[in-house]
Amino acid sequence: SAVISQKPSRDICQRGTSLTIQCQVDSQVTMMFWYRQQPGQSLTLIATANQGSEATYESGFVIDKFPISRPNLTFSTLTVSNMSPEDSSIYLCSATDGDQPQHFGDGTRLSIL
Amino acid sequence: QKEVEQNSGPLSVPEGAIASLNCTYSDRGSQSFFWYRQYSGKSPELIMSIYSNGDKEDGRFTAQLNKASQYVSLLIRDSQPSDSATYLCAVNLGGTSYGKLTFGQGTILTVHP
Repeated sequence: SAVISQKPSRDICQRGTSLTIQCQVDSQVTMMFWYRQQPGQSLTLIATANQGSEATYESGFVIDKFPISRPNLTFSTLTVSNMSPEDSSIYLCSATDGDQPQHFGDGTRLSIL
Repeated sequence: QKEVEQNSGPLSVPEGAIASLNCTYSDRGSQSFFWYRQYSGKSPELIMSIYSNGDKEDGRFTAQLNKASQYVSLLIRDSQPSDSATYLCAVNLGGTSYGKLTFGQGTILTVHP
């Protein structure tokens, strides 16, 4: 299975600022996804990162708040914009080549003061 | 009704016992089902996938799928304290094979010596 690296692993940010999270896969993959895991909760899909086109967002998530890029088949970024304490969560990147189940990166633990 | 629902926890079993984790899903057309294990402070780790009705065994883990009843379960035999974790049921809703996942709320399992 693909090895997925996320950066940063954790961060503490000020209210109103933005943070970009990077996700790097060690092989080309068909699909990449971004999930959020709020404290004590399960995973919720934010969006599917599409290579070369705009991401597909799930209900409740918008591009202005969570802009996503996917410039190639191994890399994606998620930006959390204009952060508030409610954005304190773990953000997880996952990937699949289309023939295998999704595997996850180690996640980014984000705290907003 | 939630799209993917797991039996409420937490679940506590003695070491050596069988732990039984259950999950139901709403979309009858779903084709792919997964169990992830998540240790505290870690990202989800895939432990089982199942696509056809019946049982699938991998070591001490057995996944069971009944599409007619829209039910998937995970049995852990000879439970060990190291099995203590949150178990997440995930489903590719809508008939896709390896696309976006919808997660249940998770079941916390504690195996006590």
